[in-house]
Amino acid sequence: GAGVSQTPSNKVTEKGKYVELRCDPISGHTALYWYRQSLGQGPEFLIYFQGTGAADDSGLPNDRFFAVRPEGSVSTLKIQRTERGDSAVYLCASSLTGGAYYNEQFFGPGTRLTVL
Amino acid sequence: DQQVKQNSPSLSVQEGRISILNCDYTNSMFDYFLWYKKYPAEGPTFLISISSIKDKNEDGRFTVFLNKSAKHLSLHIVPSQPGDSAVYFCAASEGNNNDMRFGAGTRLTVKP
Repeated sequence: GAGVSQTPSNKVTEKGKYVELRCDPISGHTALYWYRQSLGQGPEFLIYFQGTGAADDSGLPNDRFFAVRPEGSVSTLKIQRTERGDSAVYLCASSLTGGAYYNEQFFGPGTRLTVL
Repeated sequence: DQQVKQNSPSLSVQEGRISILNCDYTNSMFDYFLWYKKYPAEGPTFLISISSIKDKNEDGRFTVFLNKSAKHLSLHIVPSQPGDSAVYFCAASEGNNNDMRFGAGTRLTVKP
């Protein structure tokens, strides 16, 4: 059984460029989450999808960040005009349903983004 | 603002002894707490959780204790094994929401 997969595993880009990070959740999981983990910190919530819609995007730091999940499965996190401060590991997680109570989130291995 | 704090960045224990990892929180509205374990180059994996209506939850070698008045929880691992060496994250949720708040993590090393 496949877990959550994320591609690429590493991405190096230059300041000002556009990047896309992909997440393939576990089949059948309706909920999908994106987190950002900076060096020495824990994961920081960015956005939550229930099905195709972004049910909670309160964690997105600014309008350079955007995420989609058009068919309710694969999701793409898009970052425009990247800045050095965007360098972090971007983690994706999925769960059967939404909500924190007794609802295990399964995390992917992350994409390490480095902005030079 | 750091609503979930893990003040010990690292902990080293001998195999077979108890490991105690601590976590403090500031938001009194948090009512569900989780511990995740993370190995290098992997995503975090769920370990154990506790609801605020309980003060203890046990699963095999892992026990989580919650002290609501002190806004403090701890994870006990007994007996510790070398395979437990990992980074442990404490997380908290306010209601059945989806924006979990994580601590910065504690790196546990269990020495053979």
